[in-house]
Amino acid sequence: ETGVTQSPTHLIKTRGQQVTLRCSSQSGHNTVSWYQQALGQGPQFIFQYYREEENGRGNFPPRFSGLQFPNYSSELNVNALELDDSALYLCASRPTGQVGEQYFGPGTRLTVT
Amino acid sequence: AQSVTQLGSHVSVSEGALVLLRCNYSSSVPPYLFWYVQYPNQGLQLLLKYTSAATLVKGINGFEAEFKKSETSFHLTKPSAHMSDAAEYFCAVSDRSGANSKLTFGKGITLSVRP
Repeated sequence: ETGVTQSPTHLIKTRGQQVTLRCSSQSGHNTVSWYQQALGQGPQFIFQYYREEENGRGNFPPRFSGLQFPNYSSELNVNALELDDSALYLCASRPTGQVGEQYFGPGTRLTVT
Repeated sequence: AQSVTQLGSHVSVSEGALVLLRCNYSSSVPPYLFWYVQYPNQGLQLLLKYTSAATLVKGINGFEAEFKKSETSFHLTKPSAHMSDAAEYFCAVSDRSGANSKLTFGKGITLSVRP
């Protein structure tokens, strides 16, 4: 049990729609990262937030955006959904002052039809 | 840029046999290294991590890994496989900067354990 929760567990959307995924991490975890894991692949880094500001981004287009809130919750928003966006989306948080190790949530399985 | 190579996509062992999952990394400076396990329909669980000092790292569930700088490797081992070890295993690397804790993952290895 990592203390990181995500909602919803599963989600089905249609191509072109928008989706918001949510994550809640533990108190004191000021850094949150989002990863996309396509079927049969390792997770790919989308972006990272620290104290409510984005401070790192992977090779994902601007239609992937995020928010982090003072209560240690965060959101991943994806606009104009494409079929290739179908994946498991993982949220990970890191305690303040601890470098490297991240604690992952169970993920949200997004299916785009 | 950092990268991780996990050779082979599937490893099958008999229950009680040695488990060896290979991981090689590429990094301009010594990185932090991790092994994560993922059970079906679940998130990632940290098995062990290498951040400094001891090159032989012990983790949960009897797993251990050895950091070999000369070989740029961080192979995962377990002396005796158990049926419950069947899962997907990911090796990951992170730089030592505190500003960005981005993890770069390998493609993963599926471990099967035969009775």
